[in-house]
Amino acid sequence: ETGVTQTPRHLVMGMTNKKSLKCEQHLGHNAMYWYKQSAKKPLELMFVYSLEERVENNSVPSRFSPECPNSSHLFLHLHTLQPEDSALYLCASSQDSAGGAYEQYFGPGTRLTVT
Amino acid sequence: SQQGEEDPQALSIQEGENATMNCSYKTSINNLQWYRQNSGRGLVHLILIRSNEREKHSGRLRVTLDTSKKSSSLLITASRAADTASYFCATAPYNQGGKLIFGQGTELSVKP
Repeated sequence: ETGVTQTPRHLVMGMTNKKSLKCEQHLGHNAMYWYKQSAKKPLELMFVYSLEERVENNSVPSRFSPECPNSSHLFLHLHTLQPEDSALYLCASSQDSAGGAYEQYFGPGTRLTVT
Repeated sequence: SQQGEEDPQALSIQEGENATMNCSYKTSINNLQWYRQNSGRGLVHLILIRSNEREKHSGRLRVTLDTSKKSSSLLITASRAADTASYFCATAPYNQGGKLIFGQGTELSVKP
């Protein structure tokens, strides 16, 4: 266990559905991240939050909407997704986001399938 | 341009052999990190090596960094079947905040 939990572990949703992914870290970290991992492609950084403030939005479509209510919780709200959004969505946390100086701790991921 | 490209893409060895994976990158970095991922699971951090370091060890893992060649290698000695996983290098580019850029990974298979 890395101290980062994600729910649900698997999610199947239609293109018109609205769902949310949840991430929680129990490590006292200040930074949290969302990544997308598609088959045969490198991990893609989606969002970075530092002390609940979004510091990075990596040109992600608006159908993905992050929310960070406090430094321990991170959500990814999904609506009107496309089949190509099917992927493993990984949450991570680190002590801080400054300078990439710290290792990141990853959750087990949510396997999302859009039908 | 792609940062953190691993080589080889796949590697198959026998238990007890050593496994070497390489990573090349393009821009100046603060540090380089190696991660491991078992099939369909989250990534686990293995080693972080800073730009002013040349070599680092952790148990059976040895990482080298050559900033002049913009390359790094991960050596796993005396491999075990449980080492079967994908291994990723991730670079923390200089002046890009907390961003980590991952390569596509090396898929290591260790046969008993």
